[in-house]
Amino acid sequence: DGGITQSPKYLFRKEGQNVTLSCEQNLNHDAMYWYRQDPGQGLRLIYYSQIVNDFQKGDIAEGYSVSREKKESFPLTVTSAQKNPTAFYLCASSIQGAGANVLTFGAGSRLTVL
Amino acid sequence: GQQLNQSPQSMFIQEGEDVSMNCTSSSIFNTWLWYKQDPGEGPVLLIALYKAGELTSNGRLTAQFGITRKDSFLNISASIPSDVGIYFCAGLISMHTGKLIFGQGTTLQVKP
Repeated sequence: DGGITQSPKYLFRKEGQNVTLSCEQNLNHDAMYWYRQDPGQGLRLIYYSQIVNDFQKGDIAEGYSVSREKKESFPLTVTSAQKNPTAFYLCASSIQGAGANVLTFGAGSRLTVL
Repeated sequence: GQQLNQSPQSMFIQEGEDVSMNCTSSSIFNTWLWYKQDPGEGPVLLIALYKAGELTSNGRLTAQFGITRKDSFLNISASIPSDVGIYFCAGLISMHTGKLIFGQGTTLQVKP
């Protein structure tokens, strides 16, 4: 089955530690996205990538980093510089061009900072 | 920056009732999308709207793209318990990048 796999589902982190969230897709989509979700708020874009080896900052990129070395993979690192990292993180992908707006989401990763 | 205002924020209804929710913006969008998110999962696309005035149905769901292109509506008829979840509207900022802006979400609870 084609889809997006995020791991881990739940992650606990101590303050000052970096953590990396994995996102893998087998949909052959060119574009991939990371969103952050907080209770009562919409999804906010952290980073996105339209092609391998290229990515752009979204609306709330500070304290996060990404890489896109392979088409299938778009890992997100939450660094110690992110002041309020506890949240639900969603990875998504889409085709380029026509239909690019139709995002397919993964099941999410919940990060809790202790 | 661009914002989407989604209302109501939450709804608690009786099974069988109809539900209406909407999104408004000060900006024009060329595409409106409606997603549903089950607890602890990622959002799933319900309906996509591409043309001003367009009315599209998906089973018991009906969505409309406002003629001003600044708003959209989602209606659910004869609600059932599995309709529980968070409903998000989203507007397409850029066809080139596929960037979306999301509303704050409407949390729906259905009482059997």
